[in-house]
Amino acid sequence: EDQVTQSPEALRLQEGESSSLNCSYTVSGLRGLFWYRQDPGKGPEFLFTLYSAGEEKEKERLKATLTKKESFLHITAPKPEDSATYLCAVQEYSGYALNFGKGTSLLVTP
Amino acid sequence: SAVISQKPSRDICQRGTSLTIQCQVDSQVTMMFWYRQQPGQSLTLIATANQGSEATYESGFVIDKFPISRPNLTFSTLTVSNMSPEDSSIYLCSFSGTGSYEQYFGPGTRLTVT
Repeated sequence: EDQVTQSPEALRLQEGESSSLNCSYTVSGLRGLFWYRQDPGKGPEFLFTLYSAGEEKEKERLKATLTKKESFLHITAPKPEDSATYLCAVQEYSGYALNFGKGTSLLVTP
Repeated sequence: SAVISQKPSRDICQRGTSLTIQCQVDSQVTMMFWYRQQPGQSLTLIATANQGSEATYESGFVIDKFPISRPNLTFSTLTVSNMSPEDSSIYLCSFSGTGSYEQYFGPGTRLTVT
């Protein structure tokens, strides 16, 4: 059973068209939820860490939120350079492993 | 923040051979990790490598297949042994900084086994 499920698998947006990516998780003791961006041929790039329900973090056009069951990555007025795969990962109190979802592939067209 | 690099960036290897991947961080870090990213799959942790102790392997990964070294606080290697086509994947190393839980990833090594 997957601990982390991301949806949608792929998303195509027009430049300026805001949307949200979803990450739902099932863990017994959440230490933190992490968002990464991955460009083709590169390693994941760290974006945000969220530790508790109700917490929000922002960076440029991205805003991440967290509830007890899911996290959202809101993208406001995206630009083509926001095109990438966005990965969500959870870490439990029991260890340091990051358990990743399969990601959402975002394409922003001009 | 620290810079992390990996060598080689990609390789094509014959079945039955072994490949050692190097990971270098430009500052001292306590915890380093090795992940595998197979096509269409999530990143999966292979093992955690702490300097001065044996690597800790996740379920489904064994030391004989994926031996790891961590000789100092800036360097680690992962060897993929007796390779088969099923080992074709991207291998990534990462580290976590002191007092923080987020991990920072290297650029990855793309391995193809023929």
